[in-house]
Amino acid sequence: GAGVSQSPSNKVTEKGKDVELRCDPISGHTALYWYRQSLGQGLEFLIYFQGNSAPDKSGLPSDRFSAERTGGSVSTLTIQRTQQEDSAVYLCASSTTSGSPYEQYFGPGTRLTVT
Amino acid sequence: KNQVEQSPQSLIILEGKNCTLQCNYTVSPFSNLRWYKQDTGRGPVSLTIMTFSENTKSNGRYTATLDADTKQSSLHITASQLSDSASYICVVNSGTYKYIFGTGTRLKVLA
Repeated sequence: GAGVSQSPSNKVTEKGKDVELRCDPISGHTALYWYRQSLGQGLEFLIYFQGNSAPDKSGLPSDRFSAERTGGSVSTLTIQRTQQEDSAVYLCASSTTSGSPYEQYFGPGTRLTVT
Repeated sequence: KNQVEQSPQSLIILEGKNCTLQCNYTVSPFSNLRWYKQDTGRGPVSLTIMTFSENTKSNGRYTATLDADTKQSSLHITASQLSDSASYICVVNSGTYKYIFGTGTRLKVLA
């Protein structure tokens, strides 16, 4: 079946511009995660959505970052007024929440470059 | 502070050889430990998941071990292949959706 998809795969933007990154999770997966992967660093948690519950936004590095998940499916991560330090690979993952431990399925990521 | 440390940072081996990657963690609470393989330009893919009570788990040529007392894990790759060239990431699940990721070991297998 279809896995997690993300778009765009690559994004180059100028400093100060806004960007939107999209994640399509596996159908039926109620949990969705966003991570950031910088060169030489482990994946950094950004935000977690679970069903209709309020998302855990505790990992968002600043108020320039926001995310939403519409209809419990597609999610969009928005970065406003991008800075060079935002350059990284942004990974999305989804999972079910039945049958612990939950397997996480990752998308291919969006490579963001801020010039 | 919750941390997952991996060693070595990088490794080069010849095709057909075995290798072992290490992972030490200081994470509490502990739910399970995972090893992922990440090919260049791709998202991580799960290899094994081990809970507290499991001390070994295999997936083909990959065998993971877990010592919950010493908080150490290893991933052993047998008879390496060129396609094993990737980053291997150790991850500790701490609670329902909290995951602590190591920085990975970059493995290169040479012909």
